[in-house]
Formats: sequence, structure tokens, C-alpha cells
Amino acid sequence: EVQLVESGGGLVQPGGSLRLSCAASGLSFSRYWMHWVRQAPGKGLVWVSRINTDGSGTTYADSVRGRFTISRDNAKNTLYLKMNSLRAEDTAVYYCAREGPAAGEVFMDVWGKGTTVTVSS
Amino acid sequence: DIVMTQSPDSLAVSLGERATINCKSSQSVLYSSNNKNSLAWYQQKPGQPPKLLIYWASTRESGVPDRFSGSGSGTDFTLTISSLQAEDVAVYYCQQYYTTPFTFGPGTKVDIK
Repeated sequence: EVQLVESGGGLVQPGGSLRLSCAASGLSFSRYWMHWVRQAPGKGLVWVSRINTDGSGTTYADSVRGRFTISRDNAKNTLYLKMNSLRAEDTAVYYCAREGPAAGEVFMDVWGKGTTVTVSS
Repeated sequence: DIVMTQSPDSLAVSLGERATINCKSSQSVLYSSNNKNSLAWYQQKPGQPPKLLIYWASTRESGVPDRFSGSGSGTDFTLTISSLQAEDVAVYYCQQYYTTPFTFGPGTKVDIK
């Protein structure tokens, strides 16, 4: 069974940092581009970041560029999101998601259950 | 950025009746390499992550019931639930994956009348 399990969320003060992890199982992790998507309480889905298969290519939403860093360790089948300079508006459930398998298939076909980040003093 | 809009914001449909959700993109999402529209639909039930229903605007994901169908092209798209079941109560999102940032619509909440 393909599974993505996020961890690392929690309560952090404004200006603080967190590192989220997403452990993948049941799939050839290194073959897939991966994403982080977030959802603020009671709000819709917002794409955050994307990384290619070997970690050499990354893209970010404007709202997090320069503060968040996406990375991966294919040997550990794990995706990461390092979040610095956190703001109240970063409060959300953070989902990791697998991208479709073929060129241009940038939809997200497998999602984790999410991890909650709360930024508050 | 491509702005995605959805209508209505919410709808209530009787069991067994048709539900129709519209999605509009601010520019074309036609992917020239395969002449398909880079548009996906997701279903999100309370307390759960999103689930992929439809991609390339009209291709049903494996395991998704055939009462769910997607249509449209260019900038206007539709998700149809042909015969609403109780388990279809959820929020539905469209998403363009034509270009970054990969934007989602605001969501449409579907309830039972």
C-alpha cells in the first residue's frame, strides 16, 4: 500500500523554525516529483512547493519563497520542508503529496494525512 | 498567476439527483504536448486529506465511481456527480497544473438536501 506519513508539526512562536518530514512507503520514492500543500483552518488548499526526483530542482509559492526549503533524501524515502521565519499566516495543516507519474502530470495522486503547524505567541 | 474560480460556493442536492460544479481558469490550461487540459478535481471530506477524482479534465482516477465525470476545455470546466450518494458529501476543489504556482479553486461544498 502506498503511504505518505507527515510529522514534525507543532506550536511555534512567530519568527521560529520547524522542519516537517514526510515518510514514503509502498512506492519507488526516488521516481516521483513531490509537493507540499497547506490548508489554513477552515480554508482552501494552497500549493506550497515542489521538488524533482533527485532534489536538484525546486519551486515555491511566492508567499514562502526565501523562508521555506524543500528537500528530499531518497535513501531514506523521506521528503522535508524546512520552515524559517514563521508567521501567523503560516498556520495550517501541511500535506505532502506525490505527483503523477508521467510528464506533465503535475496533479497530486497520493496524499498524506497532514501535520498541523500553529504559529502563535 | 492563474486564478481559479468555482461556482456555486455550495449546493444541496437530493439523494440520487445530479450535482454540477463549475470551475473557471483565468487563462487557458491547454497542455500543448498532448492537447489535453491540465485540470484536476479533488474531493475532501471533513478531517481527511484531499482525494484525486479527475485529471486531464476528464480522466477518472482508478477506483473512482463512474458517477463522477469531468468535462470542459480551455478555461471552463465542470464536475458532475450523476446520482448523488450520501458518501459524496464533501468539498470539491479544482486545480490547474499547467504552470506554477499550481492554483486551486476556493472549493464547492456539496450537501444532501
